[in-house]
Amino acid sequence: DVKVTQSSRYLVKRTGEKVFLECVQDMDHENMFWYRQDPGLGLRLIYFSYDVKMKEKGDIPEGYSVSREKKERFSLILESASTNQTSMYLCASSSSGTGGSATNEKLFFGSGTQLSVL
Amino acid sequence: EDQVTQSPEALRLQEGESSSLNCSYTVSGLRGLFWYRQDPGKGPEFLFTLYSAGEEKEKERLKATLTKKESFLHITAPKPEDSATYLCAVLRYNFNKFYFGSGTKLNVKP
Repeated sequence: DVKVTQSSRYLVKRTGEKVFLECVQDMDHENMFWYRQDPGLGLRLIYFSYDVKMKEKGDIPEGYSVSREKKERFSLILESASTNQTSMYLCASSSSGTGGSATNEKLFFGSGTQLSVL
Repeated sequence: EDQVTQSPEALRLQEGESSSLNCSYTVSGLRGLFWYRQDPGKGPEFLFTLYSAGEEKEKERLKATLTKKESFLHITAPKPEDSATYLCAVLRYNFNKFYFGSGTKLNVKP
């Protein structure tokens, strides 16, 4: 089974700190994603990457950056943490799929990092 | 604008009381519709993929169906362990982005 591992389950940071969230997947997936999840708002895409050193902005990239130096690792960086970035952060990965079917393109999620910025 | 809407936001059922969750979508060129289950404090766990109208998938007490405008997740004779938040997401052709609904929180009372 695919395993997506997020480095921290809970994090508490101060306003203005630089925060690194790490994610590693072990199934050689091409695509990796960072989402944040807030009550009533669902999952919102921050950034995604479909190859090493490639990145694309999602719907809410402001205040975040990402790094993908190796295929299995995708890092989310909060350059200067603010209280409105308190949230559950979810990393996911997927294969690019083969044969024209979406079946292989399902997302596999990590367990999430609950970040609190005080 | 691409949009995914789930209803109801919350659903409380008695054990054994069957019901359905709805996911309506407005997406150009649907590549696939996905259902996930999320337990508190955990990441979503994959349940089903549907990618053509009329398709149905089943797993234990759950059955997912798809039309051109919406998907239903039918829960037959639910048990307390089915309590979770159920999320649906759509994937468009030529896009690598998944669009998620905000979820339905299901609570099954014994």
